[in-house]
Amino acid sequence: DTGVSQDPRHKITKRGQNVTFRCDPISEHNRLYWYRQTLGQGPEFLTYFQNEAQLEKSRLLSDRFSAERPKGSFSTLEIQRTEQGDSAMYLCASSSTSLTGTYEQYFGPGTRLTVT
Amino acid sequence: DQQVKQNSPSLSVQEGRISILNCDYTNSMFDYFLWYKKYPAEGPTFLISISSIKDKNEDGRFTVFLNKSAKHLSLHIVPSQPGDSAVYFCAATSGSRLTFGEGTQLTVNP
Repeated sequence: DTGVSQDPRHKITKRGQNVTFRCDPISEHNRLYWYRQTLGQGPEFLTYFQNEAQLEKSRLLSDRFSAERPKGSFSTLEIQRTEQGDSAMYLCASSSTSLTGTYEQYFGPGTRLTVT
Repeated sequence: DQQVKQNSPSLSVQEGRISILNCDYTNSMFDYFLWYKKYPAEGPTFLISISSIKDKNEDGRFTVFLNKSAKHLSLHIVPSQPGDSAVYFCAATSGSRLTFGEGTQLTVNP
């Protein structure tokens, strides 16, 4: 079990540029989540997938954000036309629905985005 | 609306003593609660969880207590160790997304 991995760990971009982040979940997990965390706050939910289906999106996820999980394994999160307010830590988590009654999510190390 | 609140931004305890971190929630639909620990520049690490059908769950030095009528949960760490110094987040769910509190910075002094 190699855990959840995210790439890149850090990204600095200029305002208006597009960025894409990748998440590789724990291999046997069928659910994958994206969260965003800013300084002094807890992580905030963005969206989640069960297998390849995107089941829920937060109202925080503006039209500039899009997420995919094409084969039910890794996922990408793209931000178009970045703004300074997008600067945050983007966290990916995965979980399994095979164990009923438990809802633990396991997080990756995050991607720190800085928009200049 | 802040559905999960951790009212203490920080807590400082002596090594060997008990640390008690508190969390309140407002949404009655939450039926599963979790505690995570976070070091700077890392993702949150799962610590312990509890279902709403229980009032206590214990794992080694960590115990979580749930008071459903008060919509309150707490994490007890005993004995506290310097390596426990981190930010602790409580989270709640009704089966999919996690809703997090703002976190409590725990400092365990040697």
